[in-house]
Amino acid sequence: QSALTQPPSASGSPGQSVTISCTGTSSDVGGYNYVSWYQQHPDKAPKLMIHEVSKRPSGVPDRFSGSKSGNTASLTVSGLQSDDEADYYCASYAGIKTVFGTGTKVTVL
Amino acid sequence: EVQLVESGGGLVKPGGSLRLSCAASGFTVINAWMNWVRQAPGKGLEWVGRIKSEASGGTPDYAAPVEDRFTISRDASKNTVYLQMNSLTTDDTGVYFCASDPYGWGQGTLVTVSS
Repeated sequence: QSALTQPPSASGSPGQSVTISCTGTSSDVGGYNYVSWYQQHPDKAPKLMIHEVSKRPSGVPDRFSGSKSGNTASLTVSGLQSDDEADYYCASYAGIKTVFGTGTKVTVL
Repeated sequence: EVQLVESGGGLVKPGGSLRLSCAASGFTVINAWMNWVRQAPGKGLEWVGRIKSEASGGTPDYAAPVEDRFTISRDASKNTVYLQMNSLTTDDTGVYFCASDPYGWGQGTLVTVSS
């Protein structure tokens, strides 16, 4: 099972928005509404930001939103803040497997 | 409060074995899909495997690189999930996380495979 494809990097100024894509296939992203997004700061455990494509866990700001179209899922971070600077990973259920994305480093300029 | 605490990591020689534990609190592991995810030094996240909830059959699934060497199990009485790792290679080096969405992730435990 190949990793989902994410851009290596993305950036934006404070207050701006950034969108990260996560491209898979009909066997993973396109086949199920079970896409999650994780935020990971250096030397920290990942934190769930979005699950089931667009659901936000309690405590996650509504500046974070998720969507999906076909085989591509997206995470949008609005109103960028300095603490949003981190690595972001998508993950998708794929039947008997789960597959992660390649990761995107978000920089707040 | 929901918490996941991994333990059991350490230094092991190639070909050796190690058993990781993930103790959960705040929820019941038999009612959750429990995953193991690893991260090699400086690399991205890699799914290792999971054990489904009892309601979903309670069976494990594994990633291709580990399916003949790793075994996931759980002890309901201890509310703990285990990852038994055999025939370890240097490629298995990394931080191993226990995770269960939407409950959360543990802090990880470092496994180093080296001679």
